[in-house]
Amino acid sequence: DTGVSQDPRHKITKRGQNVTFRCDPISEHNRLYWYRQTLGQGPEFLTYFQNEAQLEKSRLLSDRFSAERPKGSFSTLEIQRTEQGDSAMYLCASSVRGTTKDEAFFGQGTRLTVV
Amino acid sequence: QKEVEQNSGPLSVPEGAIASLNCTYSDRGSQSFFWYRQYSGKSPELIMFIYSNGDKEDGRFTAQLNKASQYVSLLIRDSQPSDSATYLCAENYTGRRALTFGSGTRLQVQP
Repeated sequence: DTGVSQDPRHKITKRGQNVTFRCDPISEHNRLYWYRQTLGQGPEFLTYFQNEAQLEKSRLLSDRFSAERPKGSFSTLEIQRTEQGDSAMYLCASSVRGTTKDEAFFGQGTRLTVV
Repeated sequence: QKEVEQNSGPLSVPEGAIASLNCTYSDRGSQSFFWYRQYSGKSPELIMFIYSNGDKEDGRFTAQLNKASQYVSLLIRDSQPSDSATYLCAENYTGRRALTFGSGTRLQVQP
């Protein structure tokens, strides 16, 4: 499978716990994005990496959220002290430099439920 | 004000008809526009993008862009029940890589 891969697909956690999600982009893609989607809404941008550099973060991104992309390959998104409002689908997407229109391809997502 | 607006629907069309999905945007700096299809419980799937005024066709899909009116549309010809999904419109602009999405329009194709 050469698409964007996310793990886990589902996560149920208790409020206050920390969670970490992983994203493996398409291998030749150097741009990686995290989005969050809640029911009835379109994906909402969280953060963007070009290679290992985090170049943009949403103003909406709480300090409890942190993302990394060591070595410019896979990326992790960590949420600390989860709250019920964090329940959502977390989507990772990747695109390749040189594609001027930035066609981004999404992974299957990680559905987080905070109880 | 949301930057990308879509009618939430549902838009219901009979099988074989043309489905017309519309999107308006507020940022005149918007450069590129993307249409994604999302089945319930699944992730968005890229259908096509457009960045020049006019029409762009790909199989049964045609994207239309009118920058003067800040309007993007997606036409689906010969609609099939398998086209029933939520269609997301997204845009980006020069200097920003992230996409801004609308809330999506739910399309129902009746057999």
